[in-house]
Amino acid sequence: GAGVSQTPSNKVTEKGKYVELRCDPISGHTALYWYRQSLGQGPEFLIYFQGTGAADDSGLPNDRFFAVRPEGSVSTLKIQRTERGDSAVYLCASSSPGSPGEQFFGPGTRLTVL
Amino acid sequence: AQRVTQPEKLLSVFKGAPVELKCNYSYSGSPELFWYVQYSRQRLQLLLRHISRESIKGFTADLNKGETSFHLKKPFAQEEDSAMYYCALRKFSGGYNKLIFGAGTRLAVHP
Repeated sequence: GAGVSQTPSNKVTEKGKYVELRCDPISGHTALYWYRQSLGQGPEFLIYFQGTGAADDSGLPNDRFFAVRPEGSVSTLKIQRTERGDSAVYLCASSSPGSPGEQFFGPGTRLTVL
Repeated sequence: AQRVTQPEKLLSVFKGAPVELKCNYSYSGSPELFWYVQYSRQRLQLLLRHISRESIKGFTADLNKGETSFHLKKPFAQEEDSAMYYCALRKFSGGYNKLIFGAGTRLAVHP
């Protein structure tokens, strides 16, 4: 079956612009996660959804970052007034209810802020 | 605070040599530990978890609570094992589901 998909695969934007990153999880996976991976680092947790609600958004770095999952499936990570420090690979993952530690990752979106 | 430490950025070995990728964690409570792997041009994927106590692709990892370690081992490395390896920790109760990753170790297996 299809795995987690993310679009776009690459996004180049200018400082101050708004961007949206999309994640389509595996069908039936109720949990969805966003991580950010900077060069030379491991993935860093941003936010976790259980169904439509954000169960834990403690990793969002500031109020420029926001994520939604209105129908409990596709999720969008939104970044306002982008800064050069936001440049990273943004990873999305999903998991099934019975195995929350086994997370299935998407290919990531590489965001570059010029 | 919860933390995962992988002290080696790069581990370089020859084919057939034993491999040990180190992982130490700090956590108060009962953690759940994982190893994730990312092969070249592929996405991050689960390799193994401590509760399964299984061997995957010849790799094993034992949770040592006394030393707060979860080192990944393989007796005879193969070239196809070359990849980035990430140790990760999940809190084991209360529906708390975020993974905390180490910085990763690149394993390079030379012919």
